[in-house]
Amino acid sequence: DAGVIQSPRHEVTEMGQEVTLRCKPISGHNSLFWYRQTMMRGLELLIYFNNNVPIDDSGMPEDRFSAKMPNASFSTLKIQPSEPRDSAVYFCASSSIRDSPLRQYFGPGTRLTVT
Amino acid sequence: AQSVAQPEDQVNVAEGNPLTVKCTYSVSGNPYLFWYVQYPNRGLQFLLKYITGDNLVKGSYGFEAEFNKSQTSFHLKKPSALVSDSALYFCAASSGAGSYQLTFGKGTKLSVIP
Repeated sequence: DAGVIQSPRHEVTEMGQEVTLRCKPISGHNSLFWYRQTMMRGLELLIYFNNNVPIDDSGMPEDRFSAKMPNASFSTLKIQPSEPRDSAVYFCASSSIRDSPLRQYFGPGTRLTVT
Repeated sequence: AQSVAQPEDQVNVAEGNPLTVKCTYSVSGNPYLFWYVQYPNRGLQFLLKYITGDNLVKGSYGFEAEFNKSQTSFHLKKPSALVSDSALYFCAASSGAGSYQLTFGKGTKLSVIP
């Protein structure tokens, strides 16, 4: 099992550019979560998908952020346009209701720097 | 709304000494409680969970946690700390069956001093 895969691991971009973060959950997992981690705010849940459907996006900071899950094995988090305050580590996590409910498996994260 | 508090930003302990990382929660109903660990430049890794049953839960790497309902606490413990235990530790809670969302504490940085 390769675990949750995220790409890129590091992203440096200029303010105003579009940024796309990618996630491949563990095969067979039906829930997917996007988190943001900063020193100031800790770990924040941005959005949660269940069976590819967005269930709760109340944590998405503003309209510049969007997330999609076109199939069970792929999700994207897009920021357009990016701003310096978006600099953070973004984690994707997945879980399976059949395995151990609520135990989430985290990817290695994408460290985003917006200059 | 549910919340998780980790009152200490940092805990320092000498190698070989027992360690405790504190966590209190506010969750309606019967909580599901978790501890995760994060090593530098890595994602969070599951350590242990409490769902129901015995209040003392044993997890990975010799860690254990004690659920105390009256004090709404779920402190993480280890009898003898290792330098390799140095990391960031997160407590998380959910309101139980049917709830997907984990609420995380802000994390506690554990430093084990040789």
